[in-house]
Amino acid sequence: DTGVSQDPRHKITKRGQNVTFRCDPISEHNRLYWYRQTLGQGPEFLTYFQNEAQLEKSRLLSDRFSAERPKGSFSTLEIQRTEQGDSAMYLCASSPPARAAVGYTFGSGTRLTVV
Amino acid sequence: DQQVKQNSPSLSVQEGRISILNCDYTNSMFDYFLWYKKYPAEGPTFLISISSIKDKNEDGRFTVFLNKSAKHLSLHIVPSQPGDSAVYFCAARQLDSNYQLIWGAGTKLIIKP
Repeated sequence: DTGVSQDPRHKITKRGQNVTFRCDPISEHNRLYWYRQTLGQGPEFLTYFQNEAQLEKSRLLSDRFSAERPKGSFSTLEIQRTEQGDSAMYLCASSPPARAAVGYTFGSGTRLTVV
Repeated sequence: DQQVKQNSPSLSVQEGRISILNCDYTNSMFDYFLWYKKYPAEGPTFLISISSIKDKNEDGRFTVFLNKSAKHLSLHIVPSQPGDSAVYFCAARQLDSNYQLIWGAGTKLIIKP
């Protein structure tokens, strides 16, 4: 098991473009989370999946953001019409069904820069 | 409205001494508190957790203390080692929140040789 993988590691895009990030969780983890982190701040919750069902979305997730986990395995996060304020580190985490309080495993993140 | 606060952006400690990182919270509904460690260009790594019904949890060089009446927790690292230099995040889980975590802003710990 190689842990949680995120791709790409870095993305530079022009304002107004669409971007998509991918997360491959640990295979036996059914819970998957997306967080966003800006400089000098802790991660902020964006959305949560249990298997393929998106069970919770933060108010931070505007209508330009969409996340999917079509088969309950990998997940994608898409940002449409990117804005400079979207520049951040996007973190994916997964956890097993039980004892989730200690089960968060994070990927290395995707750093997005909108120019 | 910050529910989890880490008031020290950075902390410098001599190698071999004790490092104490502090965290305050405002929400009485948090049921678990966690500490994560983050190196540059990597995601956070889980370090240690404590249930709200306990006041101490120890794992090797790391001990977390919880003072519910003061809504305060601290992470002690003894002895501090150069590899402990990283950003440490305090996080809290709210009951019935799909295990969503609320995070502090982090404290950068620098261990001096």
